Amino acid sequence: DVKVTQSSRYLVKRTGEKVFLECVQDMDHENMFWYRQDPGLGLRLIYFSYDVKMKEKGDIPEGYSVSREKKERFSLILESASTNQTSMYLCASSYRPGTTYEQYFGPGTRLTVT
Amino acid sequence: EDQVTQSPEALRLQEGESSSLNCSYTVSGLRGLFWYRQDPGKGPEFLFTLYSAGEEKEKERLKATLTKKESFLHITAPKPEDSATYLCAVREDTDKLIFGTGTRLQVFP
Repeated sequence: DVKVTQSSRYLVKRTGEKVFLECVQDMDHENMFWYRQDPGLGLRLIYFSYDVKMKEKGDIPEGYSVSREKKERFSLILESASTNQTSMYLCASSYRPGTTYEQYFGPGTRLTVT
Repeated sequence: EDQVTQSPEALRLQEGESSSLNCSYTVSGLRGLFWYRQDPGKGPEFLFTLYSAGEEKEKERLKATLTKKESFLHITAPKPEDSATYLCAVREDTDKLIFGTGTRLQVFP
């Protein structure tokens, strides 16, 4: 079974703090993704990575950065947290070359910025 | 503009009352349509992938179908444990998926 784990289920941070969200997958997937999910807006892609040290901006990258130093680990960084970044953050991974492309998700991190 | 639209937004069913959820899409070159189930406070769980019009996939009480413009998720004789939000997503020519906002299904005993 594919397993995607996220470092925290719940996180509370103060405005201006630097926040790290970690994601690890154990299936040797090439692709990894970070989304945020807000009521009425669905899942919105923040960043994705198709290989180690490679990254591409998604639809809403402003205020975020990412790091992928190892194939199994993809980190999302909020450089200076703001209240409008309060959300559910979901990490996902998928195979890349010529296969089915379905994404497998982690359990999510509910981040509250006060 | 919306590329993936799901309807209805919410659906309440009596246990055993079959129904269908709709996912319509406007992407030009579909390279896969995906259905997920999401329980409250959890990450989405993959259900099905459909690739071409006419394709069908089944899993327990769920059956997904695909036409050139939309997909249906048919739920036959649902049970309370089928209550969840069902998400649809499409893939064009990259590895990214475009998600709809989901249908929240509640099944009452």
